[in-house]
Amino acid sequence: DVKVTQSSRYLVKRTGEKVFLECVQDMDHENMFWYRQDPGLGLRLIYFSYDVKMKEKGDIPEGYSVSREKKERFSLILESASTNQTSMYLCASSLSSGIVNEQFFGPGTRLTVL
Amino acid sequence: ILNVEQSPQSLHVQEGDSTNFTCSFPSSNFYALHWYRWETAKSPEALFVMTLNGDEKKKGRISATLNTKEGYSYLYIKGSQPEDSATYLCAFSDDKIIFGKGTRLHILP
Repeated sequence: DVKVTQSSRYLVKRTGEKVFLECVQDMDHENMFWYRQDPGLGLRLIYFSYDVKMKEKGDIPEGYSVSREKKERFSLILESASTNQTSMYLCASSLSSGIVNEQFFGPGTRLTVL
Repeated sequence: ILNVEQSPQSLHVQEGDSTNFTCSFPSSNFYALHWYRWETAKSPEALFVMTLNGDEKKKGRISATLNTKEGYSYLYIKGSQPEDSATYLCAFSDDKIIFGKGTRLHILP
């Protein structure tokens, strides 16, 4: 079974802090994704990556950056956390050849920025 | 801006009844349509990925149909059970994947 793990289930940070959200997948998937989920807005794509050291902006990249130094790990970085980044963050991965393959999701990190 | 619409937003169904809901998506530049089930406190899990007009997929009591020419997909649940309570997401792929806001299904005992 594909397993996608995220470093924390719950996280509380203060405004202005630098925040790292880590995601690891164990099935050698090429593609990895970061989403945020807010009530009434559904899943929105922040960034995605089709290969190591490669990244593409999604629909809402502002205020975020990502890092993919190894194939199995995709990190989301909030350089200076703000209260409007309080949200549920979901990581996902999928096999190569991109958007036709199903995505496997991690359990999510609920981030609160005070 | 591409939009994926799901209706209804929320649905209450009596246990044992059958139900269905809709996903509408742009009919141009279509690659695939995904359905996911997202139970509370769990991760979203893929139900179906459909790529061809007229596709029908089935998994147990759940099935889905696809019409790419008119831009819609239906998800059907036959004989609803309490474990079907979840949010059902659809996602449309052209060169990237766009999720709808989901249909929240509540099964009443």
